[in-house]
Amino acid sequence: DVKVTQSSRYLVKRTGEKVFLECVQDMDHENMFWYRQDPGLGLRLIYFSYDVKMKEKGDIPEGYSVSREKKERFSLILESASTNQTSMYLCASSFGSVGQPQHFGDGTRLSIL
Amino acid sequence: GESVGLHLPTLSVQEGDNSIINCAYSNSASDYFIWYKQESGKGPQFIIDIRSNMDKRQGQRVTVLLNKTVKHLSLQIAATQPGDSAVYFCAEKMNYGGSQGNLIFGKGTKLSVKP
Repeated sequence: DVKVTQSSRYLVKRTGEKVFLECVQDMDHENMFWYRQDPGLGLRLIYFSYDVKMKEKGDIPEGYSVSREKKERFSLILESASTNQTSMYLCASSFGSVGQPQHFGDGTRLSIL
Repeated sequence: GESVGLHLPTLSVQEGDNSIINCAYSNSASDYFIWYKQESGKGPQFIIDIRSNMDKRQGQRVTVLLNKTVKHLSLQIAATQPGDSAVYFCAEKMNYGGSQGNLIFGKGTKLSVKP
């Protein structure tokens, strides 16, 4: 089975802090994704990566950055956390070939105070 | 998690009945579709997928139907069980350059199974 592991299930940080969310997958997937999930808005893509050291902006990249130094690990960084970044963050990965499903981790519920 | 199900359409079925969850997708250029199940406190779980060259695909207790004419996707769950209670949402992948794996997700339907 595909395993996508997010480092924290719950995280509480303060406004202005730099926050790191980590994601690791064990299936040698080329693609990795970061989403946030908010009630009524569904899943929104923040950033994605097709390969090591490559990154692409998604639909809502403002206030976020990412890092992919190794194929299995994709980090989401909140440069200076704000209260409107309180959300559920979901990491996903998939093979790079056409028509492959994304597999998700169990999410990190992040609260910014 | 538990807040995912707020503000969503809800389908309530009796245990043992069949469930049908519907999804209207947005783009006629989409060539790949997926159904996910999300239980409270967990991430979305892949259920079944279908490519646009098919109109039906069956899995274990689940069937996905694709009607490209009206851009409609449905998920049928046979003999629904309490463990099927979750939020279900569809996702589509559009077939144009630059979107190798990117999906567009629907808002979801909350399935509630009555014992």
